[in-house]
Amino acid sequence: EVQLLGSGGGSVQPGGSLRLSCAASGFTFSEYAMNWVRQATGKGLEWVSAISATGGDTNYAESVKGRFTIFRDDSKNTLYLQMASLRVDDTAVYFCVKDSRVEVGATNWLDSWGQGTLVAVSS
Amino acid sequence: SYELTQPPSVSVSPGQTATITCSGDKLGNKYVSWYQQKPGQPPVVVIYEDTRRPSVIPERFSGSNSGNTATLTISGTQAIDEAEYFCQAWDALTFYVFGTGTKVTV
Repeated sequence: EVQLLGSGGGSVQPGGSLRLSCAASGFTFSEYAMNWVRQATGKGLEWVSAISATGGDTNYAESVKGRFTIFRDDSKNTLYLQMASLRVDDTAVYFCVKDSRVEVGATNWLDSWGQGTLVAVSS
Repeated sequence: SYELTQPPSVSVSPGQTATITCSGDKLGNKYVSWYQQKPGQPPVVVIYEDTRRPSVIPERFSGSNSGNTATLTISGTQAIDEAEYFCQAWDALTFYVFGTGTKVTV
């Protein structure tokens, strides 16, 4: 059974930083691309970032480009999202999501989602 | 940026068919996935590649995609199907694009 256990969320002031982690189990982590998707309370889903299985290809939504960094440690089966220069509108539940393939692409889907970790940015 | 539009809500009686639409420019040329989300829970994929259903998803869920509209159909809707449903497609610039979401009330 695929399990994705997110952690690292919390409350932070605008301009602050936070690192999210996602411990994966139940599948061969190094063989799949991974994503972060966020959801503000009562709102829809917003894709944030993706990383290929090798870690060599990373992609970001325009809203977080230059502020967030996605990376992975396959030796620890763990996905990370380093968030900097946080803004109030970054407040959301952040889901760690397993991709369906090695590389992100047009034929993919998001086949397993973690429970999510809450990030709250306020002064 | 690419946008996907869904009706905010759909109401259906138990045992009847619920139809949820997702509209986008030339959407039929893209693969569409559908996700079910119940309150306080993460989304779960119910349809991928327009029509394919994960083995754990009941047969009453089906999908289609043509022209500018993709459709998720729930046949013989049950109370446990009450949830919010999001469509999703791929855009080369913005990657995973999600629809606005549809709340299904049974």
